[in-house]
Amino acid sequence: DVKVTQSSRYLVKRTGEKVFLECVQDMDHENMFWYRQDPGLGLRLIYFSYDVKMKEKGDIPEGYSVSREKKERFSLILESASTNQTSMYLCASSSTSGLGSNIDSGNTIYFGEGSWLTVV
Amino acid sequence: AQSVTQPDIHITVSEGASLELRCNYSYGATPYLFWYVQSPGQGLQLLLKYFSGDTLVQGIKGFEAEFKRSQSSFNLRKPSVHWSDAAEYFCAVRNTGFQKLVFGTGTRLLVSP
Repeated sequence: DVKVTQSSRYLVKRTGEKVFLECVQDMDHENMFWYRQDPGLGLRLIYFSYDVKMKEKGDIPEGYSVSREKKERFSLILESASTNQTSMYLCASSSTSGLGSNIDSGNTIYFGEGSWLTVV
Repeated sequence: AQSVTQPDIHITVSEGASLELRCNYSYGATPYLFWYVQSPGQGLQLLLKYFSGDTLVQGIKGFEAEFKRSQSSFNLRKPSVHWSDAAEYFCAVRNTGFQKLVFGTGTRLLVSP
């Protein structure tokens, strides 16, 4: 089974702190994602990465950055945490195998269990 | 741009009754469609997905969904709901050539005795 692991399930941080959320996947997936989940808003994409050292902005990148130094690890960084970043953060990964080819398998995206961040 | 609408924020169903959760999408071509379930405090688990072919797809836990191109819909169904089905359900869509998922706002299912 694919496993996406978010090392911190619950964090409480102070306003202005630098926060790191770590995510590791064990299936050699090329693609990794960070989503934010808020009640009534569903999941919104913050950043994603198609390869090591590559990153692309999602729909709500402001206030966040990411790092992907190794294929299996994708980190979300809050440079200066603010109270409006209190939320649940979900990491996900997927494979690109077959994508865009004549045999596009439409690969599934697998999610971690989430990290609950409270900024006080 | 792609979008997904889940018109029902909450739905309450009696245990043993049938269930249908609605999902409408906006996308120019044939999309890839997904239903995920999220139990309280947990991540998202894939229930089922549609890529092409048979428009009625079967998933885990007894769920099924039907893709209707004419209605731009991908509704989730279950013939008999169990108390353990109480959770939040998300419909999602993505391009055929890209990996990004666009999610609906979710429907919370409550199951009454």
